[in-house]
Formats: sequence, C-alpha cells, structure tokens
Amino acid sequence: DSGVTQTPKHLITATGQRVTLRCSPRSGDLSVYWYQQSLDQGLQFLIQYYNGEERAKGNILERFSAQQFPDLHSELNLSSLELGDSALYFCASSLNSDRLKTQYFGPGTRLLVL
Amino acid sequence: GQSLEQPSEVTAVEGAIVQINCTYQTSGFYGLSWYQQHDGGAPTFLSYNALDGLEETGRFSSFLSRSDSYGYLLLQELQMKDSASYFCAVRRDGQNFVFGPGTRLSVLP
Repeated sequence: DSGVTQTPKHLITATGQRVTLRCSPRSGDLSVYWYQQSLDQGLQFLIQYYNGEERAKGNILERFSAQQFPDLHSELNLSSLELGDSALYFCASSLNSDRLKTQYFGPGTRLLVL
Repeated sequence: GQSLEQPSEVTAVEGAIVQINCTYQTSGFYGLSWYQQHDGGAPTFLSYNALDGLEETGRFSSFLSRSDSYGYLLLQELQMKDSASYFCAVRRDGQNFVFGPGTRLSVLP
C-alpha cells in the first residue's frame, strides 16, 4: 500500500459525459501527478500540481482539467468523453516537486467509456 | 513520439539474470528511474540513477551512462513474482515526466 488513495476504483460512463476522479496523496506529500495508461500503452504524464499550483503539463487534452485543493487532494475532470478516453488513470504523489525517483502511485481508476 | 526506447518483451528462466535496456533522448536530463508494474497493479519505484554508474538494491541493480544516453536494469536470481512490466522514466525540462513504452518480462519455471 503506497498510501495514495484514488476513488472511484471503476467508472463506467457514456460518450459525451463528464467525470471527476479523486486522489488523496500520501500524508506529507505536496506534489500530485496524474497519468493515463491506455491498453498496452505506457504511462502518459498528464499534469502535476505542487502545493496547490500547477507545476508541469504533459499531453493533457483541453477537455481534461485538474486542480489541487488546500488540503492537497486533487481532482481530475474529464469532459466530453470519447471512446478513446477509456484507460487506467493513475495518481502519484511525492514530497517535493522534482523527485522522479520518489513518486508513489495510487491503485488507479479504471474508466470505461461506452 | 517516444523519446525513450526499451525492448518490448524479455523472457528468462527462474534463477537467471536478465538485463533490460533503456535509451533516451531528452534535453535537460535529470536522472533515470525504473518502475515495476504487475498486471492490473500500480507502478512501484525500483531504482534511480542521477549519476553515471551502478546502483544496487538487493536483487535489482540499475546502471546509467549519461554520455551514451543509456541505462539498464539488471535483475538477478529471477523469481516467478518478477514477471511484470518494467518502465524506465526521465524528467525533461519543464518537469515534464516521460515514461518508456515498457518491457514485459516473463519468468519461466
């Protein structure tokens, strides 16, 4: 158990809908990262927040947005969902903003868009 | 496109040694990490190299050559539970994190 929690574990929705994925980092960690992993694909970095501020952006679609709240939990919002958005979405956390070696991953949210 | 390259699959037998290579092309290199991911599971951190040389952590070792933009993960005394996907990862300028496509390791009895 990494200490990172993600809800929900599974999500099934329809095209055109909007969903929100939630992540609580490990106690004391200030950075939260979001990744997308499609079937047979590697991990695609989406976005990073550090202590409430956006720190880095990857290949995140304009239909997707995220935020980190004062209590450091984060939410990833996916809107106008398409079939291709079906994937495993991971959240990770780390103490600092630039520690690639110490990212702790949550169990993921499996999203299925029908 | 991908700026990291890894073999897609590697197969070895229990007790053997296997090496998974990773080559990268990225500006502003800050270090190479390795993660393990079992099917349906979350990635877990294995090893990290910021400087050239070998880092050893139990049965796992990782090597980096910054001049060659190359690294590898070495797994010794392979066990069945080591069957998983292994990803190398780097951080680029602007703190954009990039993971390799992953290498699927199958350990045979």
